[in-house]
Amino acid sequence: EVQLVESGGGLVQPGGSLRLSCAASGFTFSIYWMHWVRQAPGKGLVWVSRVKSDGSSTNYADSVKGRFTISRDNAKNTLYLQMNSLRAEDTAVYYCAREGLGATIWIDYWGQGTLVTVSS
Amino acid sequence: SYELTQPPSVSVSPGQTASITCSGDKLGDKFASWCQQKPGQSPVLVIYEDTKRPSGVPARFSGSNSGNTATLTITGTQAMDEADYYCQAWDSTTGVFGTGTKVTVL
Repeated sequence: EVQLVESGGGLVQPGGSLRLSCAASGFTFSIYWMHWVRQAPGKGLVWVSRVKSDGSSTNYADSVKGRFTISRDNAKNTLYLQMNSLRAEDTAVYYCAREGLGATIWIDYWGQGTLVTVSS
Repeated sequence: SYELTQPPSVSVSPGQTASITCSGDKLGDKFASWCQQKPGQSPVLVIYEDTKRPSGVPARFSGSNSGNTATLTITGTQAMDEADYYCQAWDSTTGVFGTGTKVTVL
């Protein structure tokens, strides 16, 4: 059974930093691209970032480029999101998600999410 | 930046057909996927690559994509299908979600 378990969320002041983790199990983590997606309270889903299976390639939404860094440790089956220079508008539930295998891009599994609140 | 627009809400009677549209510039040239999100839960994939259903997703869910519009159709809608639905597509290497549609089963 595919499991994605996020952790590391919490309350942080504007301008602060936070690192999210996502522990993966139930599948061969090292062959899948992985994503972070966020959802502000009461709002829709927003794609944040994506990392290649071996960590060699990354993509970011314009809203987080230069502030957030996605990475992974395939030996630990863990995905990360380092978030710096946090703003109030970064407040959201952050979901770790797995990309489906194939020639095109789609997300096939989601974690339960971890809440990040940016507030003074 | 690329945008995907969905109607905010769709209402349907039990047993009837619900159609949810997702509009974007030349969306038919891209692949669309759809996910379902119930209150307090994580999203669940229901359609990928325009028309494909993951294993475990009921056959009443189907998808299409042509021109500027992708459509998710729920045939014989059940009360358990009441949820928010989001389309998703990729513009080069950037992911884009639709604005979301709340499906209410009356």
